Amino acid sequence: ETGVTQTPRHLVMGMTNKKSLKCEQHLGHNAMYWYKQSAKKPLELMFVYNFKEQTENNSVPSRFSPECPNSSHLFLHLHTLQPEDSALYLCASRPSHTTEKLFFGSGTQLSVL
Amino acid sequence: TQLLEQSPQFLSIQEGENLTVYCNSSSVFSSLQWYRQEPGEGPVLLVTVVTGGEVKKLKRLTFQFGDARKDSSLHITAAQPGDTGLYLCAGAPSNDYKLSFGAGTTVTVRA
Repeated sequence: ETGVTQTPRHLVMGMTNKKSLKCEQHLGHNAMYWYKQSAKKPLELMFVYNFKEQTENNSVPSRFSPECPNSSHLFLHLHTLQPEDSALYLCASRPSHTTEKLFFGSGTQLSVL
Repeated sequence: TQLLEQSPQFLSIQEGENLTVYCNSSSVFSSLQWYRQEPGEGPVLLVTVVTGGEVKKLKRLTFQFGDARKDSSLHITAAQPGDTGLYLCAGAPSNDYKLSFGAGTTVTVRA
């Protein structure tokens, strides 16, 4: 148990659906991240939030829309996804925006049909 | 081109055997981390190395950071089925907070 909780654990959606992934941490961390993990590829950093402000968007398509309403919660809103977006989406947090340890959630395994 | 190259990609060994996985780069890192990810879970940090030539031990796991801080290795002695998982290395380049991850080595230890 890392203290970072992601829901749902599994999600199957059609290309025309709209869904949201949720991440929650009560570790008092100020930096939160979304990563995409595909088979045989390195983790891809998608978005970075520091003190609730988005500080980085790594050229992520607009069909992925993040939201950080407070320092404990992070959402990833999904709409009109493509089959190639199927992957494990990991949320992570850490105390500050430095090289300190990342705490990962268990991820949401997303399948786009 | 990946910043961090991990090898081998897959490794399957019998319980009790030793194994080594490697993490290599042409870039210099201020620190390097190793994570283990079990099926259905997120990565969990095992160790952070920060000094060139540093060796850290965690029970049967030995981590080494290269002298030039461009590469690292993880050696497991007398592997057990509980060591099964995806081993990821992640490096932070100097003066940059962003971690770059390798693609990982999938280790399977057969009972």
